[in-house]
Amino acid sequence: DQQVKQNSPSLSVQEGRISILNCDYTNSMFDYFLWYKKYPAEGPTFLISISSIKDKNEDGRFTVFLNKSAKHLSLHIVPSQPGDSAVYFCAASENSGNTPLVFGKGTRFSVIA
Amino acid sequence: NAGVTQTPKFRVLKTGQSMTLLCAQDMNHEYMYWYRQDPGMGLRLIHYSVGEGTTAKGEVPDGYNVSRLKKQNFLLGLESAAPSQTSVYFCASRKGGGIQPQHFGDGTRLSIL
Repeated sequence: DQQVKQNSPSLSVQEGRISILNCDYTNSMFDYFLWYKKYPAEGPTFLISISSIKDKNEDGRFTVFLNKSAKHLSLHIVPSQPGDSAVYFCAASENSGNTPLVFGKGTRFSVIA
Repeated sequence: NAGVTQTPKFRVLKTGQSMTLLCAQDMNHEYMYWYRQDPGMGLRLIHYSVGEGTTAKGEVPDGYNVSRLKKQNFLLGLESAAPSQTSVYFCASRKGGGIQPQHFGDGTRLSIL
Protein backbone atom coordinates (compact mmCIF):
# COMPACT_ATOMS: atom_id res chain seq x y z
CA ASP A 1 0.00 0.00 0.00
CA GLN A 2 1.45 3.33 -1.07
CA GLN A 3 2.14 5.66 1.83
CA VAL A 4 2.97 8.60 -0.44
CA LYS A 5 0.84 9.17 -3.52
CA GLN A 6 1.26 11.50 -6.44
CA ASN A 7 -1.97 11.00 -8.34
CA SER A 8 -1.01 12.99 -11.42
CA PRO A 9 1.53 11.09 -13.52
CA SER A 10 1.98 14.12 -15.73
CA LEU A 11 1.24 17.85 -15.84
CA SER A 12 1.77 20.47 -18.53
CA VAL A 13 1.54 24.23 -18.13
CA GLN A 14 2.37 27.29 -20.17
CA GLU A 15 5.47 29.29 -19.42
CA GLY A 16 4.81 32.07 -16.91
CA ARG A 17 1.77 30.42 -15.35
CA ILE A 18 1.46 29.07 -11.81
CA SER A 19 1.93 25.31 -11.46
CA ILE A 20 0.67 23.16 -8.62
CA LEU A 21 1.95 19.64 -8.01
CA ASN A 22 0.09 17.60 -5.44
CA CYS A 23 1.01 14.84 -3.02
CA ASP A 24 -1.01 12.86 -0.47
CA TYR A 25 0.21 10.66 2.35
CA THR A 26 -1.35 8.14 4.69
CA ASN A 27 1.16 7.65 7.51
CA SER A 28 0.52 10.04 10.40
CA MET A 29 4.04 9.34 11.71
CA PHE A 30 5.57 11.42 8.91
CA ASP A 31 7.03 14.63 10.33
CA TYR A 32 8.96 15.99 7.36
CA PHE A 33 8.22 16.30 3.66
CA LEU A 34 10.63 16.90 0.82
CA TRP A 35 10.38 17.57 -2.90
CA TYR A 36 12.98 16.38 -5.38
CA LYS A 37 13.47 17.28 -9.02
CA LYS A 38 14.92 14.87 -11.57
CA TYR A 39 16.23 15.63 -15.04
CA PRO A 40 16.81 12.82 -17.57
CA ALA A 41 20.11 10.95 -17.12
CA GLU A 42 20.72 12.60 -13.76
CA GLY A 43 20.01 11.68 -10.16
CA PRO A 44 17.19 13.37 -8.23
CA THR A 45 18.18 16.64 -6.58
CA PHE A 46 16.68 18.09 -3.41
CA LEU A 47 14.40 21.08 -4.04
CA ILE A 48 12.55 22.14 -0.91
CA SER A 49 11.28 20.70 2.36
CA ILE A 50 8.81 21.41 5.12
CA SER A 51 8.41 20.32 8.72
CA SER A 52 5.01 19.24 10.02
CA ILE A 53 5.03 22.11 12.50
CA LYS A 54 4.76 24.55 9.58
CA ASP A 55 2.12 24.96 6.91
CA LYS A 56 4.21 26.84 4.36
CA ASN A 57 7.82 27.09 3.26
CA GLU A 58 9.04 29.33 0.47
CA ASP A 59 12.28 29.35 -1.51
CA GLY A 60 12.34 31.70 -4.46
CA ARG A 61 9.80 30.60 -7.06
CA PHE A 62 9.01 27.43 -5.12
CA THR A 63 6.56 27.20 -2.22
CA VAL A 64 5.43 24.07 -0.44
CA PHE A 65 2.14 24.03 1.45
CA LEU A 66 1.23 21.40 4.03
CA ASN A 67 -2.30 20.56 5.17
CA LYS A 68 -1.68 18.11 7.96
CA SER A 69 -5.34 17.42 8.73
CA ALA A 70 -5.93 16.44 5.11
CA LYS A 71 -2.55 14.66 4.85
CA HIS A 72 -1.88 16.68 1.71
CA LEU A 73 0.97 18.81 0.46
CA SER A 74 1.46 20.80 -2.69
CA LEU A 75 4.37 22.39 -4.52
CA HIS A 76 3.66 25.74 -6.19
CA ILE A 77 5.97 27.04 -8.90
CA VAL A 78 5.48 30.70 -9.75
CA PRO A 79 6.16 31.59 -12.49
CA SER A 80 6.82 28.35 -14.34
CA GLN A 81 9.88 28.34 -16.60
CA PRO A 82 10.97 25.87 -19.34
CA GLY A 83 13.95 24.83 -17.19
CA ASP A 84 11.50 23.55 -14.58
CA SER A 85 10.50 20.69 -16.88
CA ALA A 86 11.47 17.53 -15.01
CA VAL A 87 10.04 14.70 -12.95
CA TYR A 88 9.12 15.83 -9.45
CA PHE A 89 9.10 13.40 -6.54
CA CYS A 90 7.38 13.96 -3.23
CA ALA A 91 8.99 12.22 -0.23
CA ALA A 92 8.12 11.85 3.43
CA SER A 93 10.22 11.14 6.48
CA GLU A 94 9.74 10.14 10.06
CA ASN A 95 11.93 11.81 12.66
CA SER A 96 14.22 8.82 13.04
CA GLY A 97 17.11 8.54 10.60
CA ASN A 98 16.77 4.77 10.76
CA THR A 99 13.59 5.00 8.70
CA PRO A 100 14.26 5.73 5.01
CA LEU A 101 12.47 8.42 3.05
CA VAL A 102 9.30 7.18 1.38
CA PHE A 103 8.91 8.43 -2.19
CA GLY A 104 5.88 8.92 -4.39
CA LYS A 105 5.96 7.67 -7.98
CA GLY A 106 6.61 11.10 -9.40
CA THR A 107 4.90 13.63 -11.66
CA ARG A 108 6.35 14.37 -15.09
CA PHE A 109 6.10 18.17 -15.36
CA SER A 110 6.43 20.02 -18.65
CA VAL A 111 6.51 23.77 -19.19
CA ILE A 112 5.47 24.80 -22.67
CA ALA A 113 7.21 27.88 -24.03
CA ASN B 1 33.51 17.90 -3.47
CA ALA B 2 32.25 14.96 -5.55
CA GLY B 3 29.22 14.10 -3.38
CA VAL B 4 27.85 10.67 -4.34
CA THR B 5 29.70 8.81 -7.10
CA GLN B 6 28.39 5.68 -8.77
CA THR B 7 30.45 3.31 -10.89
CA PRO B 8 29.97 2.11 -13.54
CA LYS B 9 27.56 4.48 -15.35
CA PHE B 10 26.47 1.87 -17.89
CA ARG B 11 26.71 -1.89 -18.08
CA VAL B 12 25.29 -4.68 -20.20
CA LEU B 13 25.19 -8.18 -18.72
CA LYS B 14 24.06 -11.55 -19.88
CA THR B 15 21.52 -13.50 -17.87
CA GLY B 16 23.23 -15.38 -15.06
CA GLN B 17 26.29 -13.16 -14.86
CA SER B 18 27.20 -11.41 -11.63
CA MET B 19 28.37 -7.89 -10.96
CA THR B 20 28.85 -5.30 -8.25
CA LEU B 21 27.78 -1.67 -8.38
CA LEU B 22 29.86 0.70 -6.29
CA CYS B 23 28.62 3.79 -4.51
CA ALA B 24 31.05 6.16 -2.80
CA GLN B 25 30.25 9.31 -0.83
CA ASP B 26 32.68 11.86 0.51
CA MET B 27 30.30 13.72 2.85
CA ASN B 28 30.82 11.48 5.89
CA HIS B 29 27.12 10.56 5.79
CA GLU B 30 25.86 7.89 8.13
CA TYR B 31 23.01 6.56 5.99
CA MET B 32 23.21 5.10 2.49
CA TYR B 33 20.57 3.69 0.13
CA TRP B 34 20.17 1.79 -3.12
CA TYR B 35 17.11 2.41 -5.33
CA ARG B 36 15.96 1.21 -8.70
CA GLN B 37 13.85 3.31 -11.04
CA ASP B 38 11.60 1.71 -13.62
CA PRO B 39 9.04 3.44 -15.88
CA GLY B 40 5.87 4.27 -13.95
CA MET B 41 7.22 2.78 -10.72
CA GLY B 42 9.06 5.72 -9.18
CA LEU B 43 12.01 5.07 -6.89
CA ARG B 44 11.88 1.72 -5.15
CA LEU B 45 14.20 1.05 -2.23
CA ILE B 46 16.30 -2.11 -2.57
CA HIS B 47 18.52 -2.09 0.52
CA TYR B 48 19.84 0.52 2.87
CA SER B 49 22.38 1.01 5.64
CA VAL B 50 22.13 3.05 8.83
CA GLY B 51 25.85 2.93 9.51
CA GLU B 52 29.11 1.17 8.76
CA GLY B 53 28.71 -2.59 9.01
CA THR B 54 24.89 -2.49 8.91
CA THR B 55 22.44 -3.35 6.15
CA ALA B 56 18.66 -3.66 5.96
CA LYS B 57 16.12 -4.76 3.36
CA GLY B 58 13.97 -2.28 1.54
CA GLU B 59 10.89 -2.72 -0.62
CA VAL B 60 12.41 -4.90 -3.38
CA PRO B 61 15.47 -6.74 -1.98
CA ASP B 62 15.14 -10.09 -3.76
CA GLY B 63 18.03 -10.94 -6.09
CA TYR B 64 20.35 -8.33 -4.58
CA ASN B 65 22.93 -8.27 -1.80
CA VAL B 66 24.73 -5.33 -0.23
CA SER B 67 27.72 -4.61 1.95
CA ARG B 68 28.91 -1.55 3.89
CA LEU B 69 32.38 -2.45 5.08
CA LYS B 70 33.53 1.17 5.02
CA LYS B 71 31.43 4.19 5.94
CA GLN B 72 32.01 5.89 2.62
CA ASN B 73 31.17 2.91 0.39
CA PHE B 74 27.97 0.95 -0.23
CA LEU B 75 28.14 -1.96 -2.66
CA LEU B 76 25.17 -3.52 -4.47
CA GLY B 77 25.66 -7.03 -5.82
CA LEU B 78 23.72 -9.07 -8.34
CA GLU B 79 24.72 -12.71 -7.92
CA SER B 80 22.86 -14.08 -10.95
CA ALA B 81 21.47 -11.31 -13.13
CA ALA B 82 17.96 -11.65 -14.58
CA PRO B 83 16.26 -9.59 -17.33
CA SER B 84 13.82 -8.28 -14.67
CA GLN B 85 16.77 -6.49 -13.07
CA THR B 86 17.20 -4.28 -16.12
CA SER B 87 16.79 -0.83 -14.61
CA VAL B 88 18.45 2.41 -13.62
CA TYR B 89 20.02 2.13 -10.18
CA PHE B 90 20.51 5.11 -7.91
CA CYS B 91 22.57 5.36 -4.77
CA ALA B 92 21.92 8.00 -2.14
CA SER B 93 23.37 9.10 1.17
CA ARG B 94 22.01 11.11 4.04
CA LYS B 95 23.60 12.81 7.03
CA GLY B 96 20.79 12.07 9.46
CA GLY B 97 17.04 11.67 9.82
CA GLY B 98 14.16 14.10 9.94
CA ILE B 99 14.50 17.06 7.59
CA GLN B 100 17.92 15.99 6.32
CA PRO B 101 17.70 15.43 2.54
CA GLN B 102 19.15 12.49 0.67
CA HIS B 103 21.86 13.20 -1.89
CA PHE B 104 21.76 11.05 -5.00
CA GLY B 105 24.34 9.87 -7.48
CA ASP B 106 23.73 10.13 -11.20
CA GLY B 107 22.73 6.51 -11.59
CA THR B 108 23.90 3.30 -13.23
CA ARG B 109 22.00 2.11 -16.28
CA LEU B 110 22.04 -1.69 -16.27
CA SER B 111 20.74 -3.90 -19.07
CA ILE B 112 20.43 -7.64 -18.68
CA LEU B 113 20.10 -9.57 -21.94
